[in-house]
Amino acid sequence: DAGITQSPRHKVTETGTPVTLRCHQTENHRYMYWYRQDPGHGLRLIHYSYGVKDTDKGEVSDGYSVSRSKTEDFLLTLESATSSQTSVYFCAISESFGPGELFFGEGSRLTVL
Amino acid sequence: GEDVEQSLFLSVREGDSSVINCTYTDSSSTYLYWYKQEPGAGLQLLTYIFSNMDMKQDQRLTVLLNKKDKHLSLRIADTQTGDSAIYFCAESTSGTYKYIFGTGTRLKVLA
Repeated sequence: DAGITQSPRHKVTETGTPVTLRCHQTENHRYMYWYRQDPGHGLRLIHYSYGVKDTDKGEVSDGYSVSRSKTEDFLLTLESATSSQTSVYFCAISESFGPGELFFGEGSRLTVL
Repeated sequence: GEDVEQSLFLSVREGDSSVINCTYTDSSSTYLYWYKQEPGAGLQLLTYIFSNMDMKQDQRLTVLLNKKDKHLSLRIADTQTGDSAIYFCAESTSGTYKYIFGTGTRLKVLA
C-alpha cells in the first residue's frame, strides 16, 4: 500500500471555524491532490500540486486553500467552514501527470454543524 | 464540460457475472480506469485501458471499450461477496491534471 496518511480522520466543527486537513506521503511522489466525495457527485477535484509551492485550482476550489511547503505534506484549509463543506475528503498522489495511477489515502470525514 | 456517468446501484447473486457500465463525453480521453472503493477506505485502482484498445482482460475482470459510443464496461466473472463495493469509472487525458470520476456504482453481491 502506498504510504499516505490523512489527519484527522474524523472531525466535527462549527460553521465559521477554520479547519486544516493534512496529507502526508512517504512515496516521494511529485503530484498530490485533494478531492471531495459526495453522494451523487463522485469525486471532485479541489486543488492539486505539481511540486513544492506549486499548486493550482481544481473544479470545486471556492472556499478552500492549499499549501505545500515540503514534498511529503499537502495541507487543505477551509478558512471559514460552511455546512456545504461537510464531506469526505481524500488525498491522492501520483508519480506522473495524466495518465497514471492515483494512490488514495483513507479519507477524512468532516462534518460542519 | 467533461462528464462521466454511471448507474448508481447494481445487485447480483454470488457466482453470477456483474457488468458495470460507464459513459464519458471527452473524446480526447487517453486512459480509462476502474477504481474500487471498499467501505471506509480510499479508492484503489482495479484496472485501466488505453483509449486505442477495445478490450483488456485481467483474471476475473474484463474491460470493454466502445470508443465510438464513448462507453466503457467492467465485467466481473464469478462475482464474490468480497466484490461488494463502490466501483468508479474515471478518465484522464495525457499531459493534464484532469482525472474525471463518475458518480460510482454500488455493487451488492447477494449470497
